[in-house]
Amino acid sequence: QQQVKQSPQSLIVQKGGISIINCAYENTAFDYFPWYQQFPGKGPALLIAIRPDVSEKKEGRFTISFNKSAKQFSLHIMDSQPGDSATYFCAASYLGGGSNYKLTFGKGTLLTVNP
Amino acid sequence: GAGVSQSPRYKVAKRGQDVALRCDPISGHTALYWYRQSLGQGLEFLIYFQGNSAPDKSGLPSDRFSAERTGGSVSTLTIQRTQQEDSAVYLCASSARAGGLETQYFGPGTRLLVL
Repeated sequence: QQQVKQSPQSLIVQKGGISIINCAYENTAFDYFPWYQQFPGKGPALLIAIRPDVSEKKEGRFTISFNKSAKQFSLHIMDSQPGDSATYFCAASYLGGGSNYKLTFGKGTLLTVNP
Repeated sequence: GAGVSQSPRYKVAKRGQDVALRCDPISGHTALYWYRQSLGQGLEFLIYFQGNSAPDKSGLPSDRFSAERTGGSVSTLTIQRTQQEDSAVYLCASSARAGGLETQYFGPGTRLLVL
């Protein structure tokens, strides 16, 4: 059972455009939703994260939108740049449980930003 | 400062061979995690170490997989009698403390190819 579904699998955007990656989760106990960015040959790095008490969080060109009732959250990259080309993973965890360190990851989205 | 390091970066093994993968976490980090990243898949949790507590081994896929952490620092993930389906990137991460809100810092991974 895939608890976090991510789409699209791959995305091509022109420089300056908006990149949108979507994730949906099934476990209503999830209450922490981070996004990770991974460049080729590197490990993932935390990009931005959100808790369900807010519907949106913005850090620079990166914004997470969160819809608790729909059990969906998305990453928006404004003014996309070629340097943003990477694989993006959404994840979720349940902070209140004894295993709150466990992150459940989506399968990733390969973003290519063309110059 | 130095990040999480892993060695070797690449490993080619013949089916049936045992392999040992090493992780050096960030100095002072008490929590250490191992994940597996297969082609086109997200990150799959394998095992978690926190201080002197018993490790959470719930993600290990079979009894051919084991891991240890010596002196609360370096960790080794061992795969016995490797199979072709073990081919993947094995990622190690560490965090300063236990807890879901603690940022996990990932190493570059070891790419394992089993022939």
